[in-house]
Amino acid sequence: DTEVTQTPKHLVMGMTNKKSLKCEQHMGHRAMYWYKQKAKKPPELMFVYSYEKLSINESVPSRFSPECPNSSLLNLHLHALQPEDSALYLCASSQIPDRVASKRTGELFFGEGSRLTVL
Amino acid sequence: AQTVTQSQPEMSVQEAETVTLSCTYDTSESNYYLFWYKQPPSRQMILVIRQEAYKQQNATENRFSVNFQKAAKSFSLKISDSQLGDTAMYFCAFMKLNDYKLSFGAGTTVTVRA
Repeated sequence: DTEVTQTPKHLVMGMTNKKSLKCEQHMGHRAMYWYKQKAKKPPELMFVYSYEKLSINESVPSRFSPECPNSSLLNLHLHALQPEDSALYLCASSQIPDRVASKRTGELFFGEGSRLTVL
Repeated sequence: AQTVTQSQPEMSVQEAETVTLSCTYDTSESNYYLFWYKQPPSRQMILVIRQEAYKQQNATENRFSVNFQKAAKSFSLKISDSQLGDTAMYFCAFMKLNDYKLSFGAGTTVTVRA
């Protein structure tokens, strides 16, 4: 069972469409992430939210717009995407980083991903 | 920036046998986390095993164990008694202690043959 839930699992959209990807976790984690993954490649970090505030934006184009409405939810709004944006989009959550190793286990918990195809 | 290197793009193993995946990393940090993640064709990224750098003892999770060599900056994964369900892409990953960012290796595709 996944503790990070992503919807939809598959999404096909045209370049002029507006759509959203949704992610939900109930593990009490206060850090949430969006990753983009191309086939047979490692995930690439896009955004990090910490305590519901955008903490890291890895120079992602503005056609991707993240939103964190509350500590359990994370959205990724999509608009005017390009065919090269077709990929698997992974959501993840984790504890907040801490300098004391024993206070944190470190790992990210991933959802099953949303497979996006842009026509 | 941290660099994680997985030098084996693909590996094949017979069911019930053992396979070892290699991973090396480059860092100036003394405390950090290392992970092995598994991503089957079903695509969810699942944590296989975790190692804290300050712990000298190698982590073990059932059939999965690591050989952590801190001085050599090496973190290999051994899968014993391989099962068909172990077929997946395996990613080695590094994280600094007080950071959000995971640095992934390029991945190793493991195929378990019946």
